[in-house]
Amino acid sequence: DQQVKQNSPSLSVQEGRISILNCDYTNSMFDYFLWYKKYPAEGPTFLISISSIKDKNEDGRFTVFLNKSAKHLSLHIVPSQPGDSAVYFCAASGGGADGLTFGKGTHLIIQP
Amino acid sequence: GAVVSQHPSRVICKSGTSVKIECRSLDFQATTMFWYRQFPKQSLMLMATSNEGSKATYEQGVEKDKFLINHASLTLSTLTVTSAHPEDSSFYICSALRTPNTYGYTFGSGTRLTVV
Repeated sequence: DQQVKQNSPSLSVQEGRISILNCDYTNSMFDYFLWYKKYPAEGPTFLISISSIKDKNEDGRFTVFLNKSAKHLSLHIVPSQPGDSAVYFCAASGGGADGLTFGKGTHLIIQP
Repeated sequence: GAVVSQHPSRVICKSGTSVKIECRSLDFQATTMFWYRQFPKQSLMLMATSNEGSKATYEQGVEKDKFLINHASLTLSTLTVTSAHPEDSSFYICSALRTPNTYGYTFGSGTRLTVV
């Protein structure tokens, strides 16, 4: 069973507008969540993360929101830029030395 | 910043042969390294966790005799795909954890393995 779900395989957003990528999880033991950006045939690049004790974390154009009761998190990118076009993965960790559980990714396409 | 080097970036091998993939943390010591596999349009799936000087811990469904992991030093972990078959063709990615409980995961650039 998939413990981290990204239900939108792709998302198209106009340049300058807000991109909202969603992620749901089922395992209540997850205590840390991360977002990665990835291009084909490359490793993931870390974007932003959030601890389960917080509900929001902001870094420049990127903001991650966590709704623990709904087991839902979202990544907001504003304003969206052409260079943001990539696959975005949501990942979760259940402990400080555990590997990550990834969602299937959302392909974000920023249109000019 | 922390850098993880993964080599080779791309390898093609014949069915039945073995392939070794290296993962090095260049400017930090990694207490723990992880190996992931990604099939096309799929998620990154954790294969195993390796700690320096001890045996790797494999995820359910991953054959430890097929995917040999060696973590001989705090800066190097290797994954050897033994007796490779076409179904082992995939994108393999390593990740190094700088310090436990900091969630500071750094990923390598990945290795595209094609078994023909």
